[in-house]
Amino acid sequence: ETGVTQTPRHLVMGMTNKKSLKCEQHLGHNAMYWYKQSAKKPLELMFVYSLEERVENNSVPSRFSPECPNSSHLFLHLHTLQPEDSALYLCASSQTRNYEQYFGPGTRLTVT
Amino acid sequence: EDQVTQSPEALRLQEGESSSLNCSYTVSGLRGLFWYRQDPGKGPEFLFTLYSAGEEKEKERLKATLTKKESFLHITAPKPEDSATYLCAVQEGAQKLVFGQGTRLTINP
Repeated sequence: ETGVTQTPRHLVMGMTNKKSLKCEQHLGHNAMYWYKQSAKKPLELMFVYSLEERVENNSVPSRFSPECPNSSHLFLHLHTLQPEDSALYLCASSQTRNYEQYFGPGTRLTVT
Repeated sequence: EDQVTQSPEALRLQEGESSSLNCSYTVSGLRGLFWYRQDPGKGPEFLFTLYSAGEEKEKERLKATLTKKESFLHITAPKPEDSATYLCAVQEGAQKLVFGQGTRLTINP
């Protein structure tokens, strides 16, 4: 595997379900990010982890819970989501001193 | 708060017809301006970083330029495979990028 990978690629979940999105980076980076991309809206930054510490939480509802166990892995735990949370969720990574971010392919989430 | 505005929202060109995409920004102290390409259903792909006014970077048919208030992505003699959404972003703070809404580019054969 190279670059940034995300699983699953597609996810359909009910409003009462609990699920997790996984991201793994193979680039040796030490910062990781979660973004939300909705139709007709710019990419929205959700969370930033640098050296495994959360350094940014962009007023994201508590039904989204990130976890970064090490510099290569990032999770987004989901529970009791709303239909408006349906979107493409993108993971990215970078070096803390080089701000070029490299993105994964995304997880297309549909909340029913 | 930093703002990024891209224009046009959508652009349709014939193969070989050169044009430019615009990204205007308001930021207190630019640390970096980034261009990405995004194909449908995929994550953004990094293209360029520009740091100071007057800087230019090129890659194949694409050339990015930067002034104090805007950046242009020039596309020369485009091909159908250049069709994608092009995203511009500026760096805000230590590790946060603020993205524009993108320009959807379509190149007709």
